[in-house]
Amino acid sequence: EVQVVESGGGSVRPGGSLRLSCAASGFTFSSYAMSWVRQAPGKGLEWVSAISGSGGSTYYADSVKGRFTISRDNSKNTLYLQMNSLRVEDTAVYYCARGVQSDYYYYMDVWGKGTTVTVSS
Amino acid sequence: DIQMTQSPSSLSASVGDRVTITCRASQSISSYLNWYQQKPGKAPKLLIYAASSLQSGVPSRFSGSGSGTDFTLTISGLQPEDFATYYCQQSYSPPYSFGQGTKLEIK
Repeated sequence: EVQVVESGGGSVRPGGSLRLSCAASGFTFSSYAMSWVRQAPGKGLEWVSAISGSGGSTYYADSVKGRFTISRDNSKNTLYLQMNSLRVEDTAVYYCARGVQSDYYYYMDVWGKGTTVTVSS
Repeated sequence: DIQMTQSPSSLSASVGDRVTITCRASQSISSYLNWYQQKPGKAPKLLIYAASSLQSGVPSRFSGSGSGTDFTLTISGLQPEDFATYYCQQSYSPPYSFGQGTKLEIK
């Protein structure tokens, strides 16, 4: 079964750090781009970051640039999101999603159930 | 950065109705437009990619159209399980922004 499972969420003080993980199974992980998408309580979806299959290209939303780092370990079929200098507004459910890419499209077709990050003093 | 604007923000409809949700990009995104459905407490589900391609397993009552800056998602013959929130997303260039969502409620 193709699936991705997030972990690593929790509660942290403002200014703190967390590392999220996303374990992938059922597909050739290195062949796919991967993304993180978040959703603050009662709010819409916000794309956070993406990484190419090789890990050589990374992209970030302006709201997290310089604070979050996306990475992957293709030998472990795992995606990561290192979150530093966390702010109250980073509180959200964080979803990991598989990206399908070609010259004509890019979309996210497999999503995890999400992991919750709460930033509060 | 590309801004995505959906309308309406909310919509009331009845089972069997045909509904249309629109999404506008702040600049041309060709056909790099995806639609997702999300139900409360659940992860988003891909419905349409590349503006008009139906994702495998998605019922044919869902359809998408448009290119450039204006796009639509149409649901023909609403079913009870279709009441949810719908998001468009541009994948033309990062950051891959989403629209603010359209909540489809039962009338």
